[in-house]
Amino acid sequence: DAGVIQSPRHEVTEMGQEVTLRCKPISGHDYLFWYRQTMMRGLELLIYFNNNVPIDDSGMPEDRFSAKMPNASFSTLKIQPSEPRDSAVYFCASRRTEDGYTFGSGTRLTVV
Amino acid sequence: RKEVEQDPGPFNVPEGATVAFNCTYSNSASQSFFWYRQDCRKEPKLLMSVYSSGNEDGRFTAQLNRASQYISLLIRDSKLSDSATYLCVVNRPGNNRKLIWGLGTSLAVNP
Repeated sequence: DAGVIQSPRHEVTEMGQEVTLRCKPISGHDYLFWYRQTMMRGLELLIYFNNNVPIDDSGMPEDRFSAKMPNASFSTLKIQPSEPRDSAVYFCASRRTEDGYTFGSGTRLTVV
Repeated sequence: RKEVEQDPGPFNVPEGATVAFNCTYSNSASQSFFWYRQDCRKEPKLLMSVYSSGNEDGRFTAQLNRASQYISLLIRDSKLSDSATYLCVVNRPGNNRKLIWGLGTSLAVNP
């Protein structure tokens, strides 16, 4: 298995632009999580899905953030418009019901 | 008080040393505990789950102390390759899928 695949690995964008991060979970995993990691706040859960349905989005910082999971093999996290304080590493992770998480390699986002 | 607290370190130890990290958690009803390892600029990876009776995996031993609400990780005979950040993770009661992550403890093993 190729593991959790995220793209792009790095993204540099100007303030105000739309950013879309992509994730392909491990086949057969029914939970998908989006996390953000910064030095100051560590890993923060933004949203998670179970069987493609959003279950808890209470960690999404504000309306500029949205996430979708149109099918079991693909999810997106969108930021529109982006701001410099959104700069962070965004991780996608997946798991089967009782297993541990497997993280993707992350997307390092820089908003200038 | 933070839900999960760790000493950020860094811990600098020589090869072969034994090093221990502690992590405290605030909610006494938490049921699931984990240690993850994160290398620089990489994703976190599960090191081990922490069970009530304590558990060992090679040079690594994890223990849970419910009365004092802390978990520990002991690394024996440390290797250069153990250099990483170790993240303590605790579930938020009522939702086993929502995990609370510590900020991590940085370990540097020196030759």
